[in-house]
Amino acid sequence: QVHLQESGPGLVKPSGTLSLTCGVSGDSISNGDWWSWIRQPPGKGLEWIGEIYHSGTTTYSPSLKSRVTISIDKSKNQFSLKLTSVTAADTAIYYCARIVWSAHFYFDSWGQGTLVTVSS
Amino acid sequence: SELTQDPAVSVALGQTVRITCQGDSLRRYSASWYQQKPGQAPVLVIYAKKNRPSGIPDRFSGSSSGNTASLTITGAQAEDEADYYCNSRDTSGTHLDVVFGGGTKLTVL
Repeated sequence: QVHLQESGPGLVKPSGTLSLTCGVSGDSISNGDWWSWIRQPPGKGLEWIGEIYHSGTTTYSPSLKSRVTISIDKSKNQFSLKLTSVTAADTAIYYCARIVWSAHFYFDSWGQGTLVTVSS
Repeated sequence: SELTQDPAVSVALGQTVRITCQGDSLRRYSASWYQQKPGQAPVLVIYAKKNRPSGIPDRFSGSSSGNTASLTITGAQAEDEADYYCNSRDTSGTHLDVVFGGGTKLTVL
């Protein structure tokens, strides 16, 4: 049973960089899966941010691509998100999730989420 | 592209409700569905159009035709009251993307 846990600062200043880490247990991050970040502004719907393969290959949302970097640390079995030049619009609950992508695509396991507020 | 869902749907306790999701990406990629209760992370309830993960009650079922995917709850229970999101892969030219529907708030009366 895979378990994902987000961690990082809950408050980021405007124009700063949001940095989060997702720790993975119960599965090796090198196992051939894809891993993803998704966010949800308060009271709103889900928005995909991007994904990373164990090889380091990444895909990002077109709307966030210029500000997002997702990286992977196999030695710590974790992957990370950096979002630069944040504004209040980036205030959201940030989830990490495991992707199953073979014949079909879906998110089969999610972290509990962490609220990040952008405010001075 | 986008996935379109009705913002809100209601169902009487024990009755059947269908939640739909429309979008061009569903012609190429299969839909998955997620249930989200207040203060909780989303939970996968249907994947690959119609498959249920272990632990999801069999009152949840999925189907798909053309550009429309559906989630049906047969005999809705009070604990099914939640937000439901559809999701699929998408492509824009050679660029891969992921899309979510706007969500449907299900009320069980």
